[in-house]
Amino acid sequence: DAKTTQPPSMDCAEGRAANLPCNHSTISGNEYVYWYRQIHSQGPQYIIHGLKNNETNEMASLIITEDRKSSTLILPHATLRDTAVYYCIADLSGSARQLTFGSGTQLTVLP
Amino acid sequence: GAVVSQHPSWVICKSGTSVKIECRSLDFQATTMFWYRQFPKQSLMLMATSNEGSKATYEQGVEKDKFLINHASLTLSTLTVTSAHPEDSSFYICSAGAWENEKLFFGSGTQLSVL
Repeated sequence: DAKTTQPPSMDCAEGRAANLPCNHSTISGNEYVYWYRQIHSQGPQYIIHGLKNNETNEMASLIITEDRKSSTLILPHATLRDTAVYYCIADLSGSARQLTFGSGTQLTVLP
Repeated sequence: GAVVSQHPSWVICKSGTSVKIECRSLDFQATTMFWYRQFPKQSLMLMATSNEGSKATYEQGVEKDKFLINHASLTLSTLTVTSAHPEDSSFYICSAGAWENEKLFFGSGTQLSVL
């Protein structure tokens, strides 16, 4: 599994876009980039994932660089409920594989 | 989307007793489930992989006789913490490995406190 590097913490003003970076310089060609978040005392929640192309869903956008060595998760209009630890994971897809969590980024949305 | 239900959400027990945690996939079949443990202010650490109809696979350093895993059906895996001690107090989380559109889903977690 490719190792990922994320800043330990970030702040964001409520209503503004939150841009969370992730470095995965050793990612292999068939590994996806997954983003999960964990709100305090809850299980991780899936946000988005992608392989090469940028992705968008109702929660967020994922921007992957052309060389795939880094990515950015964008929460377009952060709310206080988005305060959580955000995990970037590079891994293969498949039902037989677990996900390996790093230390993540603690995002705090400020009022 | 797929839902993974974990029960109980929290449990307090006396030292030396055993505690069972259930993990259910509600709307899909899961041949593989994963159990994680998370200590305060730390990330999730994989404990074991639960395989339906066969023995679980434990990560290095996890005692299989202490953390008993049973995966008797395609929708239920259980983790039993035997002879619990205060150092076993932690947040336990399960996830189901039957991927829907390449996503892995997690239970809501169980906070275990051993007195």
